[in-house]
Amino acid sequence: SAVISQKPSRDICQRGTSLTIQCQVDSQVTMMFWYRQQPGQSLTLIATANQGSEATYESGFVIDKFPISRPNLTFSTLTVSNMSPEDSSIYLCSVEFRETNYGYTFGSGTRLTVV
Amino acid sequence: QKEVEQDPGPLSVPEGAIVSLNCTYSNSAFQYFMWYRQYSRKGPELLMYTYSSGNKEDGRFTAQVDKSSKYISLFIRDSQPSDSATYLCAMLTGGGNKLTFGTGTQLKVEL
Repeated sequence: SAVISQKPSRDICQRGTSLTIQCQVDSQVTMMFWYRQQPGQSLTLIATANQGSEATYESGFVIDKFPISRPNLTFSTLTVSNMSPEDSSIYLCSVEFRETNYGYTFGSGTRLTVV
Repeated sequence: QKEVEQDPGPLSVPEGAIVSLNCTYSNSAFQYFMWYRQYSRKGPELLMYTYSSGNKEDGRFTAQVDKSSKYISLFIRDSQPSDSATYLCAMLTGGGNKLTFGTGTQLKVEL
């Protein structure tokens, strides 16, 4: 299976600032996904990052707050903009490998604390 | 009502016990069913996947899907302390690519 590198692994940020999270995959993939995992809650899909086009956002998530880039088939970034304490969460990128029968592989996550 | 319901636990069992983890769901369009294991401060790791109803076994792990009851299970035999983690069920519709997760069950296997 592929290896996903996600950076930073954790960060503590001041409210009102922005943080960009990077996701690098060691092989080309069509679909890359960004999830949020809040304490005691299930993983929630933020958006699907499409190479060569705008990301597709889920209900409740908007591009101004979570801009996403996907410059090629192995890399994506998620920015959390104008942060507030409510944005404190774990952010995870995920890729789909149909060769593994719809297995979705996850990065190790970015633990974000906004103070 | 959530699409996927999962008992959050925590569930504490002695080493060697058989563990049963369960999820129920409401969306009859789900066709692919997965179990992920997540250790503290790590991303979820795919353990098992099944398509439609039936059983699948892999070592000490058995995944079971009953589509008629909209109920899936993961059984862990001879549980070990290294199995201590949060277990998440996840589901996917036939033509979709958006995973829907349960909230996860925290499992602790004690010596």
